[in-house]
Amino acid sequence: DTGVSQDPRHKITKRGQNVTFRCDPISEHNRLYWYRQTLGQGPEFLTYFQNEAQLEKSRLLSDRFSAERPKGSFSTLEIQRTEQGDSAMYLCASRDRAGTEAFFGQGTRLTVV
Amino acid sequence: KNEVEQSPQNLTAQEGEFITINCSYSVGISALHWLQQHPGGGIVSLFMLSSGKKKHGRLIATINIQEKHSSLHITASHPRDSAVYICAAFDRDDKIIFGKGTRLHILP
Repeated sequence: DTGVSQDPRHKITKRGQNVTFRCDPISEHNRLYWYRQTLGQGPEFLTYFQNEAQLEKSRLLSDRFSAERPKGSFSTLEIQRTEQGDSAMYLCASRDRAGTEAFFGQGTRLTVV
Repeated sequence: KNEVEQSPQNLTAQEGEFITINCSYSVGISALHWLQQHPGGGIVSLFMLSSGKKKHGRLIATINIQEKHSSLHITASHPRDSAVYICAAFDRDDKIIFGKGTRLHILP
């Protein structure tokens, strides 16, 4: 297992376009988290899943944001009609069922121009 | 007031010094995570602990559940240790609450 994998690592998009990011967690980690980090700030919670169920969604997430984890394995985060304020690092983390370990992906850096 | 507070916010030290970064939390937690982030880089997990002490190389993490406090220590600090160190707590609902980070700069 090579850890939490995020794709793409970098994305530049024009304002108004839709983007989708993917996160592949550690195998058999049942919890998966999405966070957003803007420059110089700490990560902010976006949403998290236990298996395929989305348990909580931050008020930070407007209706332009949607996340899925259809089979309880990989997850996607989609942003529709991107805005410049969406420019940030989008981080994914996964945690095991026993709660003894958690790992973060390298993140997807989104730049909206 | 943030539920996870770190101190100091910024720390500059000379190479070789012993470094301590503190984290206090006000919520019930199931585990606490220490993370490292280099400028422009992703987040690297250093330690995850729910009690006692863990050591890996020159890094030591301790947690006192009763006092709701954790510390990260770096012995014989080196310029390559320069990074942002983030304390993150898993609350009872399994959400991760992040501290604002400590920016560490080790001078050669």
